[in-house]
Amino acid sequence: EPEVTQTPSHQVTQMGQEVILRCVPISNHLYFYWYRQILGQKVEFLVSFYNNEISEKSEIFDDQFSVERPDGSNFTLKIRSTKLEDSAMYFCASREAGGLRPTDTQYFGPGTRLTVL
Amino acid sequence: AQKVTQAQTEISVVEKEDVTLDCVYETRDTTYYLFWYKQPPSGELVFLIRRNSFDEQNEISGRYSWNFQKSTSSFNFTITASQVVDSAVYFCALSTPYNNNDMRFGAGTRLTVKP
Repeated sequence: EPEVTQTPSHQVTQMGQEVILRCVPISNHLYFYWYRQILGQKVEFLVSFYNNEISEKSEIFDDQFSVERPDGSNFTLKIRSTKLEDSAMYFCASREAGGLRPTDTQYFGPGTRLTVL
Repeated sequence: AQKVTQAQTEISVVEKEDVTLDCVYETRDTTYYLFWYKQPPSGELVFLIRRNSFDEQNEISGRYSWNFQKSTSSFNFTITASQVVDSAVYFCALSTPYNNNDMRFGAGTRLTVKP
């Protein structure tokens, strides 16, 4: 069964460093998402991406964050200058298409745990 | 604006007990989707169910059942004859096509099933 994959599973970085989190969505999916979950808290929406541009972003997604689909398979989240409070689990998700069909469920990757020291 | 409330922060039951996890949602949209996800200690999000706003039929899948009631804006989840492996954090979530289907999650309910 196709699945969303994310690399690395765990990333440790120093405060102020740039990190890139990578995701490979399911191949025929068109909508892509990043979510964040600070330890012990709820999952929060960061950004959605469709047709090579951001569709929507939350207030969390400030200028430190950017997303890109550099080729036909990868979907990346970049944090330019990490802060301690960026430490969290980051989930990528993808969805096939719009509308009300059963295929419109978002499928989540296993997550990347980012630790900022 | 969309909002999901899971008032139960933690629930602890003994194996074989039935347990219901509550979820109340808010949205002004007439078309929306509701979800339940399970997050085991390993951290991944496991999709359990998706419900469309126009389909209020309750669903049963093995020991799991869901009660969707638009009149009370609730989408509750019941585990019958709970097992230790059911121990996890359970998240209820809401999305609508009007905001690109990005999902709004509740705070989660941590379920502990003791042997």
